[in-house]
Amino acid sequence: KAGVTQTPRYLIKTRGQQVTLSCSPISGHRSVSWYQQTPGQGLQFLFEYFSETQRNKGNFPGRFSGRQFSNSRSEMNVSTLELGDSALYLCASSLGGTSRTYEQYFGPGTRLTVT
Amino acid sequence: EDKVVQSPLSLVVHEGDTVTLNCSYEVTNFRSLLWYKQEKKAPTFLFMLTSSGIEKKSGRLSSILDKKELFSILNITATQTGDSAVYLCAVAHSLDSNYQLIWGAGTKLIIKP
Repeated sequence: KAGVTQTPRYLIKTRGQQVTLSCSPISGHRSVSWYQQTPGQGLQFLFEYFSETQRNKGNFPGRFSGRQFSNSRSEMNVSTLELGDSALYLCASSLGGTSRTYEQYFGPGTRLTVT
Repeated sequence: EDKVVQSPLSLVVHEGDTVTLNCSYEVTNFRSLLWYKQEKKAPTFLFMLTSSGIEKKSGRLSSILDKKELFSILNITATQTGDSAVYLCAVAHSLDSNYQLIWGAGTKLIIKP
């Protein structure tokens, strides 16, 4: 079974620009979660999507948004980029639903650098 | 406020040593505790613990959960340089009809040859 894929793997943007990251979950997984990871803050939860609906949300400003498509693929958008948005963005998929399986499987991440 | 605290934050040992990593938590509606290993890139799943006192084991790694004292430990015996990584602990707790994972900051483990 193919794992979680994320594109692009690396991105360099300038302040004020916007960026869209993509995540394809493991086949059959309906839940996709997004995380921001920085050396100082560790793994910070952004949001989770299940069946095209945002189910949970972390404490990030409205510049961070996401969506999920009917095939469970998810995109994350960051508008008006700031230097502090430089981080590794990880996507994780899980079965979701009522399976009560909490295991999440992570993609390789997108390394975003804002200059 | 729900929180997950890992200790120590970093640890340096020599190959062959045994290490014990700690994860304590304070969350409402606890469901499960999960351990992950993160080397250079994405975290990889190690264990999920739901019941107290039942040890999960995989090779040289083992983990146990104490739901009364609200903590878990991850043991690694006969450590090897390939065990060098950040070990992350996460707790799944119920939120309305859903669940959410709360992550600890991780323990950075360095194994010296």
